[in-house]
Amino acid sequence: QSALTQPRSVSGSPGQSVTISCTGTSSDVGGYNYVSWYQQHPGKAPKLMIYDVSKRPSGVPDRFSGSKSGNTASLTISGLQAEDEADYYCCSYAGSYTFEVVFGGGTKLTVL
Amino acid sequence: EVQLVESGGGLVQPGRSLRLSCAASGFTFDDYAMHWVRQAPGKGLEWVSGISWNSGSIGYADSVKGRFTISRDNAKNSLYLQMNSLRAEDTALYYCAKEYSSGLFDYWGQGTLVTVSS
Repeated sequence: QSALTQPRSVSGSPGQSVTISCTGTSSDVGGYNYVSWYQQHPGKAPKLMIYDVSKRPSGVPDRFSGSKSGNTASLTISGLQAEDEADYYCCSYAGSYTFEVVFGGGTKLTVL
Repeated sequence: EVQLVESGGGLVQPGRSLRLSCAASGFTFDDYAMHWVRQAPGKGLEWVSGISWNSGSIGYADSVKGRFTISRDNAKNSLYLQMNSLRAEDTALYYCAKEYSSGLFDYWGQGTLVTVSS
């Protein structure tokens, strides 16, 4: 059970796009299309932003998109806005027999 | 409206035990798997444990295996986490989370803080 690998920080100016990567293994990210992304503002509970690799829950702006290639998933935020500044965590299902889930270490997004 | 309300956190000495509870409302509790996720101060999210709708499947992170026990009472719409042999590194905000499907957490509680210190 190793945590998924995310960059510790990314940054971008308002209106720009940023991409956050999330690297796992064939036992988690690469093995299932069950990658989700969570946004967390300071002092708040995490909020679901992307699920099943690329689906958006209702209410999440279409500026947020997800993708996956092999063992690496990505979250792209386009048209950056100040309120996007937050921590972002990827998460992957890791097995039906073991009923496990694994999170990434988190990425701090700074909007310059 | 879905609500998840955790309770039971507090200050506890190393080696002692604590039982967390999560009261769920606003959805059909016994239709969904439930999980505990923790966040140490200033750190990232860490999955702790999960339990299927009927308690038939249970999983634990290696860091808590053998010390923590997850359970649920569908009649009471409640989720529990029995934490034994607590260590300083268990200090964290413990969130209860509803799983919509396969590791997808669509609702989270506000968390209950556990501090392990002498």
